[in-house]
Amino acid sequence: DTGVSQDPRHKITKRGQNVTFRCDPISEHNRLYWYRQTLGQGPEFLTYFQNEAQLEKSRLLSDRFSAERPKGSFSTLEIQRTEQGDSAMYLCASSLGTSFSYEQYFGPGTRLTVT
Amino acid sequence: AQKITQTQPGMFVQEKEAVTLDCTYDTSDPSYGLFWYKQPSSGEMIFLIYQGSYDQQNATEGRYSLNFQKARKSANLVISASQLGDSAMYFCAMRVPGAQKLVFGQGTRLTINP
Repeated sequence: DTGVSQDPRHKITKRGQNVTFRCDPISEHNRLYWYRQTLGQGPEFLTYFQNEAQLEKSRLLSDRFSAERPKGSFSTLEIQRTEQGDSAMYLCASSLGTSFSYEQYFGPGTRLTVT
Repeated sequence: AQKITQTQPGMFVQEKEAVTLDCTYDTSDPSYGLFWYKQPSSGEMIFLIYQGSYDQQNATEGRYSLNFQKARKSANLVISASQLGDSAMYFCAMRVPGAQKLVFGQGTRLTINP
């Protein structure tokens, strides 16, 4: 049973560049979430997919951010024109089922550093 | 809006002792779920335990138990017989029906001393 995987694990980029992260959820999970975690804080919700439909976006997700889940399997999160404030850990999670009691399983995260 | 408060930035405990990590929450929804996650230095969030607002008994999972006091809106995590591998950040989180996101607290860094 493979867990949630994320690629890359670390990304260093210069301000103004575009970056793209990939998340592969647990295979039978139909729900996929993106969170952002800055140093010393808990994760903050960014967006959520049920299958291929993006159903909710946080106001944290500015127009420089876009997320897709084209075939209801893996997802990508793209940040355009990166800023130093985008430096954070980007966490992906997946879950099964519709009940709010279902736990979300997290991947190892992608740590982004914008120089 | 939902809010989670963890008031202990850091805790230091001797190996084999029990430890309680505090969590208080705020929501106006009568139905909600409370979660605890562990985050080692590697960064991955590991699910530990879940408590539903209507559950009559406190949740337990091995060495982890959740001390749920609904009237006080607290959901403290108790780790019995702590081990060196328990050293990590611990996050309390909440989710309500109709909302997909987990709302997290700021976390508590637990250090187990040999």
